This record gives sequence, structure tokens and C-alpha cells, in this order.
Amino acid sequence: DADVTQTPRNRITKTGKRIMLECSQTKGHDRMYWYRQDPGLGLRLIYYSFDVKDINKGEISDGYSVSRQAQAKFSLSLESAIPNQTALYFCATSSSGTNTGELFFGEGSRLTVL
Amino acid sequence: GEDVEQSLFLSVREGDSSVINCTYTDSSSTYLYWYKQEPGAGLQLLTYIFSNMDMKQDQRLTVLLNKKDKHLSLRIADTQTGDSAIYFCAESMGTGGFKTIFGAGTRLFVKA
Repeated sequence: DADVTQTPRNRITKTGKRIMLECSQTKGHDRMYWYRQDPGLGLRLIYYSFDVKDINKGEISDGYSVSRQAQAKFSLSLESAIPNQTALYFCATSSSGTNTGELFFGEGSRLTVL
Repeated sequence: GEDVEQSLFLSVREGDSSVINCTYTDSSSTYLYWYKQEPGAGLQLLTYIFSNMDMKQDQRLTVLLNKKDKHLSLRIADTQTGDSAIYFCAESMGTGGFKTIFGAGTRLFVKA
């Protein structure tokens, strides 16, 4: 089983719909992140959380919200999806106790907004 | 602000060496990374180098860091078709993964 699990893996929705992407981890890490991947742009940080009840905006947070329900769970919501939010979304985790800063990624959630 | 740049595509023949280059702007970066993304999968750390090192070798992988020019490279010796993937250069201050900046990724094609 994957250490960082994202659901759903694929989702097609329509403009204006509310969408939630969920992430759970079994690594015991305190830090969790949501990234967005677009071709030619690499990964951009949407939100990050250092612990439960800690939420921080990343580079591109407009149009998104997050919830850290437990240390192992971090969900990303699009309140009213729009076509330019079509992208591949990755959840990642890391441990504050590591010096190397290695990030551990889920397999991604591909979202298409029509 | 911080930026990481890398070319988008590289094509090599099986058995040749691949060299993927990257430039970064944040001179305070503590760690420089290479992540690999295989089709349909998330990113996975391939290797990293601490900023006070010039070179790191790990089996077929050689990482070179020129801190003066803010240039990082990844050399893959004896490239195999299984090495076909997207390779992301990244930098951070370490600090538990916070504020890692990624490049756009270099897609490596390996021709048999």
C-alpha cells in the first residue's frame, strides 16, 4: 500500500461544481502539502500545513481551500471549479525532524473541469 | 524571487550518458535535489546534494554542483529505457521540506 494515498485519482467535473480531493498518509509525518502540476510550469505550492490546525497559503491559493482534519489527513477543496483549474494535483508529506527536507508524494489526482 | 530553470526535453540513445542541467537563483539554498516522476506516478526523490559539496556519486548517478554559477547537473551513465521519465530539479533551505522550489521538469526520452 502507498504511504501517501490520494482520492480520487481521476475526476471530471463541470464549471461551478464543488470538488474535494483527499489525501491520507501513513508515514507519521507532521507536514503536508498540496501542489499543482501543469505542463511546462513544474509544481506550484497551493497550501501547506505544519500540523493539525495549522494552515498556510502557498504560491497559488486563490480559488482553493484546505482542511487538516487529523495529522494523517489533508484535503483540498475547489469551492467553484473553473476550467483553468484543470491540472494534476499532488499531495506530499515531510517530517520537520529531517534535515534533508525530502518530500514524499502521492500518485496524483487528475482533475478536468469542463 | 526564487526560481529554478531547466530545459524541458532531452533525448538520448540507450547506453549513452544523459546530462540534465538546472540553474537556480537562491544562493541561500541548503539542499539541491533531483526528483524523478515516472508516467502515472508521483515524484520520488532520486538524489540530493548538500550545498557545501561539489559532487555526489551514487551508482549510475553523478550530481555536480557549481555554487558560484548556481548550476546543478545530473548525469546518468549507461542510460536505460527504464530511465525515461521527467526529472525535476529543486532547491530548499532543508528545514523539514518547507519551501521547496521546483523547476518545470526535464522529460528524458531514451531511444532503444
